Amino acid sequence: DAGITQSPRHKVTETGTPVTLRCHQTENHRYMYWYRQDPGHGLRLIHYSYGVKDTDKGEVSDGYSVSRSKTEDFLLTLESATSSQTSVYFCAISESRFGETGNQPQHFGDGTRLSIL
Amino acid sequence: KQEVTQIPAALSVPEGENLVLNCSFTDSAIYNLQWFRQDPGKGLTSLLLIQSSQREQTSGRLNASLDKSSGRSTLYIAASQPGDSATYLCAVNSNYQLIWGAGTKLIIKP
Repeated sequence: DAGITQSPRHKVTETGTPVTLRCHQTENHRYMYWYRQDPGHGLRLIHYSYGVKDTDKGEVSDGYSVSRSKTEDFLLTLESATSSQTSVYFCAISESRFGETGNQPQHFGDGTRLSIL
Repeated sequence: KQEVTQIPAALSVPEGENLVLNCSFTDSAIYNLQWFRQDPGKGLTSLLLIQSSQREQTSGRLNASLDKSSGRSTLYIAASQPGDSATYLCAVNSNYQLIWGAGTKLIIKP
């Protein structure tokens, strides 16, 4: 299994509080991604990173910010959590952008289940 | 805008049967198509990746086909086993994005 660790695995918090999720990889892959997964929607991209300090927005980036100060760490922050951000959050990594070259698909962490009350 | 659909949303079959999962997409301009498996409470595991120039890929009891012109891919599972029970998702790499279907939940009954 690819070395991807997400923390925390579960979190319950209140509306309006800041929340930071961490993704740590040991594979030295260039690309890292944050997705959310909700019933009936499949996975939706929040933000992704293509290098240290290089990030770009995904389909559902509003209300989220990211940072990548080291190759191995990619942080997702909800500045002021809302109930609509209750979801399961997945981090993924890949050697090429979205696995588009070669046969290098994305590898996923086990997810963080976030509940905002 | 690329859209990916997986039908049915859920499927239950007896052990030992061969089965086909479907994935359809609206825009044929794709780099590749990927099939993933997701177990409850876990992340996604890549099963097969088909490049746009390929027609199919095989791994063990799994065979994935791709027909770009009709916007379809199928995942064929031979001789299904209870351990195959999981949610199967397809994702289309298109226009510098990965667009996901909502998945098919597969239950294999012993």
